[in-house]
Amino acid sequence: GAVVSQHPSWVICKSGTSVKIECRSLDFQATTMFWYRQFPKQSLMLMATSNEGSKATYEQGVEKDKFLINHASLTLSTLTVTSAHPEDSSFYICSAMDEEKGLNSPLHFGNGTRLTVT
Amino acid sequence: QKEVEQNSGPLSVPEGAIASLNCTYSDRGSQSFFWYRQYSGKSPELIMFIYSNGDKEDGRFTAQLNKASQYVSLLIRDSQPSDSATYLCAVKGGSNYKLTFGKGTLLTVNP
Repeated sequence: GAVVSQHPSWVICKSGTSVKIECRSLDFQATTMFWYRQFPKQSLMLMATSNEGSKATYEQGVEKDKFLINHASLTLSTLTVTSAHPEDSSFYICSAMDEEKGLNSPLHFGNGTRLTVT
Repeated sequence: QKEVEQNSGPLSVPEGAIASLNCTYSDRGSQSFFWYRQYSGKSPELIMFIYSNGDKEDGRFTAQLNKASQYVSLLIRDSQPSDSATYLCAVKGGSNYKLTFGKGTLLTVNP
């Protein structure tokens, strides 16, 4: 159980274009999902908390107008990187937890999306 | 500011040995503790979680928690080359359910 699906697994785009990444909880509902970013040889950094039916909460230093988050249903959150630039190239990973098991239950991660901006 | 500290390693052990990974955390209000394994280029995979002081065993893995010392560890018995990965310690507090990660320890198990 507790499977999180993320799509696409990799994407290459040109500078200035936008890229949408989808994150789905397959066998549970998630009012909250989390988006992380990981640069090479660094740990995961939380970008934002996606809240179903309301605005996302962004971590300090993360531009909300650049990283648009939409959590339209209890099983789907999307992250759109707008006007992507080479410095946005990174590994983006979403996660969610089965809230029916309590707020301290583990986060389960999608397989990640490797974004390369040329 | 919550902090989670891990020995950066790398840690190298021979096949069949016990690998010991350590983690300390700063927030005494933390309530749940997790170990994730991350292979190069892949997303983290949950290995163990522990909520109470003491040991928790799952196969070759044992998580140990000491809240008084704000210390959590992961022991891997009979280490295998396939255990070679970065191990991430993560802590979740009681006030919210954001997960704070350490920087990870790179483990190499040599055949």
